[in-house]
Amino acid sequence: TQLLEQSPQFLSIQEGENLTVYCNSSSVFSSLQWYRQEPGEGPVLLVTVVTGGEVKKLKRLTFQFGDARKDSSLHITAAQPGDTGLYLCAGSGSNDYKLSFGAGTTVTVRA
Amino acid sequence: DSGVTQTPKHLITATGQRVTLRCSPRSGDLSVYWYQQSLDQGLQFLIQYYNGEERAKGNILERFSAQQFPDLHSELNLSSLELGDSALYFCASSKTSGRTNEQFFGPGTRLTVL
Repeated sequence: TQLLEQSPQFLSIQEGENLTVYCNSSSVFSSLQWYRQEPGEGPVLLVTVVTGGEVKKLKRLTFQFGDARKDSSLHITAAQPGDTGLYLCAGSGSNDYKLSFGAGTTVTVRA
Repeated sequence: DSGVTQTPKHLITATGQRVTLRCSPRSGDLSVYWYQQSLDQGLQFLIQYYNGEERAKGNILERFSAQQFPDLHSELNLSSLELGDSALYFCASSKTSGRTNEQFFGPGTRLTVL
């Protein structure tokens, strides 16, 4: 089982501020995904990154996959209350069909 | 709406009982995954089926079993329930079983064992 560590565990910011969430592992992943989950609902896929050094943008969200494919970050610019939720990273290894999830970062954006 | 459906939405039962959770994948998806999410354990992978065959197994207890039927819907059976089995159970589906598969989650079943 490959472990993914997310930091910080909790993040509370004011609307309009920027934030970054980190996802780290000692293992190499063939792909890494970011999900957002709201209370009582299923995780919603935001992005998949597969190439080391890859950067993907989704409106105000920027996702980066580390060069060594062991870590990833999610940066939100000018956060809005609608960005509030639990952000989860998940990775699958080269010899693994299943996804391993990090514990998540709970983001709260105050109006 | 991810296109993945799960029933029931909520389930309340007693210790020692057996329950069945049902999942219908997105149209065209052949893989179904089951996850358990509790406050202290996070999202834990239980088991994966691909086109009716078991493909990968995670931290699934022997009291739990699953299957995928010819129409690709899946059921997760939980027996001899314990208080600690109370959790959210999610089903996810994807088109393939490949390593870069993108999984789409259902709304979950909240199981409460009293």
